[in-house]
Amino acid sequence: GESVGLHLPTLSVQEGDNSIINCAYSNSASDYFIWYKQESGKGPQFIIDIRSNMDKRQGQRVTVLLNKTVKHLSLQIAATQPGDSAVYFCAEMNLVPQKLVFGQGTRLTINP
Amino acid sequence: ETGVTQSPTHLIKTRGQQVTLRCSSQSGHNTVSWYQQALGQGPQFIFQYYREEENGRGNFPPRFSGLQFPNYSSELNVNALELDDSALYLCASAPGGRPGTGELFFGEGSRLTVL
Repeated sequence: GESVGLHLPTLSVQEGDNSIINCAYSNSASDYFIWYKQESGKGPQFIIDIRSNMDKRQGQRVTVLLNKTVKHLSLQIAATQPGDSAVYFCAEMNLVPQKLVFGQGTRLTINP
Repeated sequence: ETGVTQSPTHLIKTRGQQVTLRCSSQSGHNTVSWYQQALGQGPQFIFQYYREEENGRGNFPPRFSGLQFPNYSSELNVNALELDDSALYLCASAPGGRPGTGELFFGEGSRLTVL
């Protein structure tokens, strides 16, 4: 069946350092792979997505890498800030219907 | 802010009761999805509505049902509540059709506790 999982449940980094959050997926037929951020008491917030025919996409301070050979997705956050503290979920999506399959999540903690 | 609002924010029910959760989607969005997020887990897809019709369903029993109204707002109904239904219920909206993005806009959720 479908599954999207994460290698590490928690990640602690120093403020200003770069963070790398990893994810393994199993459904190669997904149209998009996405990263969401969820702060305590809030709904998931879209960070960045990547189409299945791409291997890298950059946003503001974030980069997503997709390795289809090993079914691996990663999120890189540059110069991590206290506001980056949250749980990060990878997810995969097929467009019809527009259904997200989420992984378990990684809690990112920023040390001052 | 995503423009998606949900109500109520918190509620407590007892086993066997019924609950209705409501969602107002972002303006211009005609697709609404509902997700269940148990504590410490990722959200799980319940179902999606597109132009008032169910457009896909996850692995949830029939006692989970929904509606979408002409103004694209939506309801999630759960009958015969069980203890395991305790979770955060998230509504997400999207422009619909075949968008060129994986982005859904989530509300803050309704926290349901079943005693």
